[in-house]
Amino acid sequence: GDSVTQMEGPVTLSEEAFLTINCTYTATGYPSLFWYVQYPGEGLQLLLKATKADDKGSNKGFEATYRKETTSFHLEKGSVQVSDSAVYFCALIDPGGYNKLIFGAGTRLAVHP
Amino acid sequence: EAGVAQSPRYKIIEKRQSVAFWCNPISGHATLYWYQQILGQGPKLLIQFQNNGVVDDSQLPKDRFSAERLKGVDSTLKIQPAKLEDSAVYLCASSFSRDRGLGYTFGSGTRLTVV
Repeated sequence: GDSVTQMEGPVTLSEEAFLTINCTYTATGYPSLFWYVQYPGEGLQLLLKATKADDKGSNKGFEATYRKETTSFHLEKGSVQVSDSAVYFCALIDPGGYNKLIFGAGTRLAVHP
Repeated sequence: EAGVAQSPRYKIIEKRQSVAFWCNPISGHATLYWYQQILGQGPKLLIQFQNNGVVDDSQLPKDRFSAERLKGVDSTLKIQPAKLEDSAVYLCASSFSRDRGLGYTFGSGTRLTVV
């Protein structure tokens, strides 16, 4: 079945460091891809999305590019802030299913001053 | 626009007791989802409704979990009897349509602890 694999955390960075969180997927068709973020004590929020190959999603300085050839959707940010500390989830929606959102296990990011 | 409302925020019960969670989706959202998020894991879909009909409940432990969305608006998820392994955050989400590009809007969740 469809699945999402994320790099294990926690990822610990200093403020202004470069961030990459790896995400790869397995799907039978051409899914839509998402990054969700969960700040401490809060619900899941959509961070960015891409619906077709080579699309780049971006929001709040974060970017991710839909790479069909490597089945990847890695999350990047050029300069992280302490306020970016959260858990990040990569997810996909299978086009052949009932709009079912499938999540990876999540990657915890901790940014220190 | 108001978000997805869930209640209660927290619940502690003893094993073998029953518990119910409530969700009110964003107005006009036809599709409603219940997810279970165990600590350290990604959310897992339990059940999906399209209006008041069940679309997917393949991951719902039907011997103890039940859910309904009688009028196609708000929904209730029930666990009876609860087990220790049901300790998790229960997330409700809704979406406007089956357009796979839109993603979902999530509520803040109900954190259940079974002792």
